[in-house]
Amino acid sequence: GQQLNQSPQSMFIQEGEDVSMNCTSSSIFNTWLWYKQDPGEGPVLLIALYKAGELTSNGRLTAQFGITRKDSFLNISASIPSDVGIYFCAGQMTSNFGNEKLTFGTGTRLTIIP
Amino acid sequence: DAGVTQSPTHLIKTRGQQVTLRCSPKSGHDTVSWYQQALGQGPQFIFQYYEEEERQRGNFPDRFSGHQFPNYSSELNVNALLLGDSALYLCASSRTSGGAGETQYFGPGTRLLVL
Repeated sequence: GQQLNQSPQSMFIQEGEDVSMNCTSSSIFNTWLWYKQDPGEGPVLLIALYKAGELTSNGRLTAQFGITRKDSFLNISASIPSDVGIYFCAGQMTSNFGNEKLTFGTGTRLTIIP
Repeated sequence: DAGVTQSPTHLIKTRGQQVTLRCSPKSGHDTVSWYQQALGQGPQFIFQYYEEEERQRGNFPDRFSGHQFPNYSSELNVNALLLGDSALYLCASSRTSGGAGETQYFGPGTRLLVL
């Protein structure tokens, strides 16, 4: 099945650094979502974006919905140890019938070096 | 308020066997979606149930089937298991209201190992 292209695949950073990751698609979506997944757990929703060009923040996290509707990025400022995990983007087409399936990216694994 | 729950947490089966996984949605949610997550990959959509019917289906063979009950809980059945079916199976619940804003919330998953 289709998976969105996410980069970088992995990141090794020091605590306190800022992080940036992005996600691109060959097709458009009208909703972009960012999830975080810890080992042995299901993905947890971090940020949802519903409008092209929209910039949304959730604490230290900021995400943007690309103008072309084919990309999105996520920034994490001043990283802390609990930010470690795998980050997934997901695109969704919504319809009058309700929310549709999510198409996920390949994931970005974030590791904090002591 | 309980979130999405799944059972069992782990399961070991052998090739050719059949398996049933269960999901209870978050309170107030009426739609259940199932995803398969192979090791090192993002989740892949299997199918979605609403009003006890399969509403959407991803690119998975007929060996994968499901059911939704009147209380909105759901089951995922996989027949004739293959080694490649080994994965984390995730259930996500949401509310179908006819527009954007109804996000999907995931359960912890069921880890299936096929030997």
